[in-house]
Amino acid sequence: DAKTTQPPSMDCAEGRAANLPCNHSTISGNEYVYWYRQIHSQGPQYIIHGLKNNETNEMASLIITEDRKSSTLILPHATLRDTAVYYCIVYNAGGTSYGKLTFGQGTILTVHP
Amino acid sequence: GAGVSQSPSNKVTEKGKDVELRCDPISGHTALYWYRQSLGQGLEFLIYFQGNSAPDKSGLPSDRFSAERTGGSVSTLTIQRTQQEDSAVYLCASSFTGRGLKTQYFGPGTRLLVL
Repeated sequence: DAKTTQPPSMDCAEGRAANLPCNHSTISGNEYVYWYRQIHSQGPQYIIHGLKNNETNEMASLIITEDRKSSTLILPHATLRDTAVYYCIVYNAGGTSYGKLTFGQGTILTVHP
Repeated sequence: GAGVSQSPSNKVTEKGKDVELRCDPISGHTALYWYRQSLGQGLEFLIYFQGNSAPDKSGLPSDRFSAERTGGSVSTLTIQRTQQEDSAVYLCASSFTGRGLKTQYFGPGTRLLVL
């Protein structure tokens, strides 16, 4: 699976948009970009995924560059409860083989009042 | 709908004792994964189930670790003769298989502390 690079930490004011970047320059054509987050003392929570097109759900938006080498997770109106470690991973979720997820260090997002 | 559930949520045990950790996957998910997350560390894959069989046990750290799955649903991870280095959060995830995307959904984890 392709590796990803994320900034170690970011801050965001409550109510503002949080934009979390991720580089995945070695992504292959059949690999999806997935975002999870882990709030302190909880299990990882699935947020969103995408292949080529931008995606939006009730939690967030995912913007993937045309060359697919980077992406940005957007939390449009961050709240204090969004403080968590955010993980960007790429893997072949649609293939015939299963996926062993590997989380890197992620980005610690701190939302402050 | 109901997500992945795990029990117990916390377990404190003495070195040398056996422990059993349980995972109830999302209904209809035939794939089930066990991971371990030590303090401040990333995810460590332990074992993968497809139905009741485990095609990949390569992540089990020693023969003290075993897992089984019955009825294509509930899975139990057993650690025999626990050691202090087994202290970690044990996470279970499940996913759909087949032609759909295999998005993994995690449970809340079992926090194991071996004294």
